[in-house]
Amino acid sequence: KAGVTQTPRYLIKTRGQQVTLSCSPISGHRSVSWYQQTPGQGLQFLFEYFSETQRNKGNFPGRFSGRQFSNSRSEMNVSTLELGDSALYLCASRKRERETQYFGPGTRLLVL
Amino acid sequence: DQQVKQNSPSLSVQEGRISILNCDYTNSMFDYFLWYKKYPAEGPTFLISISSIKDKNEDGRFTVFLNKSAKHLSLHIVPSQPGDSAVYFCAASDLSGNTPLVFGKGTRLSVIA
Repeated sequence: KAGVTQTPRYLIKTRGQQVTLSCSPISGHRSVSWYQQTPGQGLQFLFEYFSETQRNKGNFPGRFSGRQFSNSRSEMNVSTLELGDSALYLCASRKRERETQYFGPGTRLLVL
Repeated sequence: DQQVKQNSPSLSVQEGRISILNCDYTNSMFDYFLWYKKYPAEGPTFLISISSIKDKNEDGRFTVFLNKSAKHLSLHIVPSQPGDSAVYFCAASDLSGNTPLVFGKGTRLSVIA
C-alpha cells in the first residue's frame, strides 16, 4: 500500500509570496493533519481535516489555511510568506479517530 | 506552555547497551501516548504507543513505560543498534482521537558502534 505522499518536496519562495503544498493520504484514510517543524522545535499542529471538514485548528495566524477534497487529498496554503515560515511541513493521515497517524516525507520550504 | 517535554535534546549510547529516552507531560487529560522516530529528510515513523490503562507496552526491542502519577513516560531500546540513531519524538493525546497530537521537541539518539 502506498504511503502518504507530499509535493513538492522542496520549495524556495520569497517574502510576501504565497505557497500551496499538497498531500495525498494513504488510500482509505479520511483524516489529514498538517504540522510545522522548525529547528529545535517539535511538531506544531496546524490543522486537521476529516471528510472535507476542518475538525481542529492549531494556534497559527490566518495566513495558514487548508482544505480537503472529496478524494481525501489535502492542500495547505500560506499567504504573505514571512522568513519565519521557513520550515518542514509534514502531513499525516489516519483512517479514523483512535487510529495511528502516518506521516509523509514532508515539504521543506525556504523563504528568502 | 509546553504540555509535552523531552528534556534531553541528545543522547549517546554504545551499541548493544540500553537507550532510555524520557518524556514528561503536564496535561492530565492525556491518556494516549506515542513514540515516533525520525530520520533526516524523512517523515516521522510510528514506533510504539501506550494507553493510560497500561503501564508497559513492549514490541521487540522497544518498550514504553508509563507512570501516570508522575506524568512521565520512557522509551527503552534494548539492545541499541547503530540504525536506531535518529530523532525520537514523544506525542500525547486523548483516547477519543478528537484532539490533535501534542509533540515534544525530540531527543536525538546517537548509537555508537
